[in-house]
Amino acid sequence: NAGVTQTPKFQVLKTGQSMTLQCAQDMNHEYMSWYRQDPGMGLRLIHYSVGAGITDQGEVPNGYNVSRSTTEDFPLRLLSAAPSQTSVYFCASRDRGNIQYFGAGTRLSVL
Amino acid sequence: AQSVTQLGSHVSVSEGALVLLRCNYSSSVPPYLFWYVQYPNQGLQLLLKYTTGATLVKGINGFEAEFKKSETSFHLTKPSAHMSDAAEYFCAVSSFLGAGGYNKLIFGAGTRLAVHP
Repeated sequence: NAGVTQTPKFQVLKTGQSMTLQCAQDMNHEYMSWYRQDPGMGLRLIHYSVGAGITDQGEVPNGYNVSRSTTEDFPLRLLSAAPSQTSVYFCASRDRGNIQYFGAGTRLSVL
Repeated sequence: AQSVTQLGSHVSVSEGALVLLRCNYSSSVPPYLFWYVQYPNQGLQLLLKYTTGATLVKGINGFEAEFKKSETSFHLTKPSAHMSDAAEYFCAVSSFLGAGGYNKLIFGAGTRLAVHP
């Protein structure tokens, strides 16, 4: 009963480094999304995907790339990390009843 | 465009007191409304949702919310707070697009609930 699994749980990067946040779900959901959570701002949508091979931008896409080669996986890439990307990142998948299931989050610090 | 406003970033109540967390939404189409809860260092989990039908929705852990279209509100209540209710609560809105599926889920800024003895 894994649900949505995110790795790593914590990460520290230096400015300019790149990394990929991993997200996998085992519920066969078509819709997946990435959010960032910052104090006082709720969750803001970065990118989302309505199925394998299809992705689109959310509210705050700049500095992030995504791809969706399989239904299960939806990785988020930071090509050149900036201090403004220090945040907590959540991956979610959505079922046909419009219920979103969230991973436990990745806490990222960019120095 | 859809949006959500949560009134009060912090709410503090005594154990056993009424909990009231306020949420107002803006939507040009019939909304689907949700409350999610986030416990420290965890992801979000669904408390309850409103889609269509009965406007009073019951969720987990004794919480309920009432959809009031005339007031564009979806306030969350619990008659008697428990220490374990201390968490951050998020209101969210989306909509059904028919053949296009569901719209994106838009979150409010969150309300942190503190419960003191």
